Parts: sequence; structure tokens; C-alpha cells
Amino acid sequence: KAGVTQTPRYLIKTRGQQVTLSCSPISGHRSVSWYQQTPGQGLQFLFEYFSETQRNKGNFPGRFSGRQFSNSRSEMNVSTLELGDSALYLCASSLARAGFLADTQYFGPGTRLTVL
Amino acid sequence: AQKVTQAQTEISVVEKEDVTLDCVYETRDTTYYLFWYKQPPSGELVFLIRRNSFDEQNEISGRYSWNFQKSTSSFNFTITASQVVDSAVYFCALSEAGGNTDKLIFGTGTRLQVFP
Repeated sequence: KAGVTQTPRYLIKTRGQQVTLSCSPISGHRSVSWYQQTPGQGLQFLFEYFSETQRNKGNFPGRFSGRQFSNSRSEMNVSTLELGDSALYLCASSLARAGFLADTQYFGPGTRLTVL
Repeated sequence: AQKVTQAQTEISVVEKEDVTLDCVYETRDTTYYLFWYKQPPSGELVFLIRRNSFDEQNEISGRYSWNFQKSTSSFNFTITASQVVDSAVYFCALSEAGGNTDKLIFGTGTRLQVFP
């Protein structure tokens, strides 16, 4: 079974631009979560989507948004990029079984975003 | 508040040595899940183990073993006879149980370097 895929793998943008990152979950997985990883702040939860609905959100400004499609694929968007948005963005998917707390999340290879 | 502490920032060992990575967590939940992930230089987080709060049995998988102790809120990870391929950053994580979410709270990670 194919793992979580993320595109693109690398991205360079300039301040003020916007960017869209894509994530395809493992087949059959219904939940997609996004995390930001930086040397200073470590791994931080951005948001989670399940059945096309955001069901949890981390402490990030409104410039960070996401969505999930009916096939469970997800995108995240960052508008008005700032230098501090440079990070590795990791997507994770899980089965999200009903009545099952905290199903195991499997991560993709990440998208490394550099903001100049 | 929920928190995961990995006090060891970096550990260096010589091949074939045993090494233990420490993880201490804080949570008010009575039901929760703990995870260990490995992040090699490629960047992808690789799932290693999941443990729920009701199962304090230690687990061994090949050269890996985990010691979960609720009394000390610790979930330590030991690699026996370490190998160069074990070099990576290891993260301990806690699920935010309740609220129907898969959100993970990560520790800051321990970088393990195994020298030949």
C-alpha cells in the first residue's frame, strides 16, 4: 500500500506570496493532519481534517488554512508568507476509526518551504 | 495542559552500545496514547510504537524495547546493540484524548548519533 505523499517536496517563495501544499493520504485513511516543524518551535500541530471538515486546529494565525476533498486528499494554504513560515510541513493520515481514540498517524516525507 | 519532555537533546554512542532515550509526559486525561517516531535525515517521521494508558506492559521488538511507567509518567525507549542506521532524531508524542481528534503533542526530540 502506498504511503502518504506530499507535493511539492521543495518550494521557494518570497515574502508576501501565498503557497498551496498538497497531501494524499494512505488509501482508506479518512483523517489528515498537518504539522509544522522548525528548529526553534519543533513539531507543532496545525489542523486536522476528517470527512471534509476541520475537527481540530492548532494555535496558528488565520493565514494558515486547509481543506479536505471527498477523496480525503488535503491541501493547506499559507497566505501572505513571512520569513518565519520557512519550515518543513508534514502531513499525516490515519484511519480515524469510529470510537477509536487517537488512531496511529502515518507521516509523509514533508514539503520544505523556504521563504526569502 | 499536556506536555512531553525529552530532556536529552543529543546522544552519541559507538556502534553496539545500548542506548536509552527518555520521555516524560504530563496529562490530566486518564485515557491517552503515547507514541515514538523516528526521523531520519530524509525528514519523514517513521512510526515505531503506540501504547495506550491502560497497557503498562513493556514491549520488545527486535533490538527495540519500550518501558512505560505510569507512576513516573515515563515512556522510555531503548535500542540494544545500536547500529549506524539507528542514527536519527527520535520523537516521543502524546495524543490529546477526548474531543475525537488525532492531534499529537510532540517532545523536542533526541538526536541519536551512532558512530562506527
